Amino acid sequence: SQQGEEDPQALSIQEGENATMNCSYKTSINNLQWYRQNSGRGLVHLILIRSNEREKHSGRLRVTLDTSKKSSSLLITASRAADTASYFCASIGAGSYQLTFGKGTKLSVIP
Amino acid sequence: DGGITQSPKYLFRKEGQNVTLSCEQNLNHDAMYWYRQDPGQGLRLIYYSQIVNDFQKGDIAEGYSVSREKKESFPLTVTSAQKNPTAFYLCASSGTDRGNYGYTFGSGTRLTVV
Repeated sequence: SQQGEEDPQALSIQEGENATMNCSYKTSINNLQWYRQNSGRGLVHLILIRSNEREKHSGRLRVTLDTSKKSSSLLITASRAADTASYFCASIGAGSYQLTFGKGTKLSVIP
Repeated sequence: DGGITQSPKYLFRKEGQNVTLSCEQNLNHDAMYWYRQDPGQGLRLIYYSQIVNDFQKGDIAEGYSVSREKKESFPLTVTSAQKNPTAFYLCASSGTDRGNYGYTFGSGTRLTVV
């Protein structure tokens, strides 16, 4: 079953702009993670935020988590052409060992 | 370098044929996973294993089988019972502390039925 749903499905921005992607999920979670996938490649883990955390930073990435709304957002600041990829949120439900993925947001950064 | 190796990168299967996808990791991770990805879609869990000689079905296990005889290896067999096997298959591994670890993914195997 798909736990997370990303919004928007596709996003196109100019280099240097910020990109914001949102994710909603259905059930209580242990943690929520964001991954990047370049076309035809495997996924790369970007950042993990636990259910008791509200915000986390890693370089140009900022992730927020609102457990009352069952939603998360990923902000990429000062985007670069190399950020062009699909971005997936994924979560581990409370009491579960399975990481469940959404369908992803396809980000295009135009030089 | 530690990581996960999937082979082959591309695989072609004839109708009625079983094929096996290889996944090997040298990260000393206890847990391993197989996901299927269809075009424009997210990942769906096929099977996962938290420990050697034990594995569990995921959301779409029908037509697939796995084994976990060694900690480092988690091969996936796509059987003839899987009616629509054309997809991108991704293997992953992780520690078993659910709260602290992201997954490490291989580079995938693209399977096509010919």
